[in-house]
Amino acid sequence: GAVVSQHPSRVICKSGTSVKIECRSLDFQATTMFWYRQFPKQSLMLMATSNEGSKATYEQGVEKDKFLINHASLTLSTLTVTSAHPEDSSFYICSAPNRGNSGANVLTFGAGSRLTVL
Amino acid sequence: SQKIEQNSEALNIQEGKTATLTCNYTNYSPAYLQWYRQDPGRGPVFLLLIRENEKEKRKERLKVTFDTTLKQSLFHITASQPADSATYLCALEAFQKLVFGTGTRLLVSP
Repeated sequence: GAVVSQHPSRVICKSGTSVKIECRSLDFQATTMFWYRQFPKQSLMLMATSNEGSKATYEQGVEKDKFLINHASLTLSTLTVTSAHPEDSSFYICSAPNRGNSGANVLTFGAGSRLTVL
Repeated sequence: SQKIEQNSEALNIQEGKTATLTCNYTNYSPAYLQWYRQDPGRGPVFLLLIRENEKEKRKERLKVTFDTTLKQSLFHITASQPADSATYLCALEAFQKLVFGTGTRLLVSP
């Protein structure tokens, strides 16, 4: 089945630094990837949609200069949290859609990245 | 406003019993509804999808129902096991994006 690999799984950084999270589709090509953010005991909130070869689409209220998304190839999407602050501490998860035979947008998720900003 | 609601309180049941989780939505007209399982510190994993014209869908010990009149889906796990303990999320597609409910944590005790 489809596998999405996400790294790093955990990262601790100092306030003001930037952190890059990578998401790779291992055995399929993903022209689109979705980036979600999840706070403790809350649901997944869609941050942005990355598209290979074009600019990412950000959800309302998400700062595109803060959360830089690059979809460099058909198998790699990256999220960079720039000038991170403690309030950016969260669980970030990428996912790739697979419409398959159902025609529905079934998502394969990465394992997630726990970001802690000190 | 659009909402997807799941019981935020944890559901505690005994091993062997049937767990039933609820997903209610408002102001959506989904063509299908999905259920995912999420373990602590991990990304969600897809379980089942049910279409609007399907009343019920089964996969091994899992059963999902979908009532578009009530705007509700029920997710059942029969013969529950401690390994079924996790958070279960329902999701609807809106404008080609999946929107998730808050999830219900299921705890199955031996």
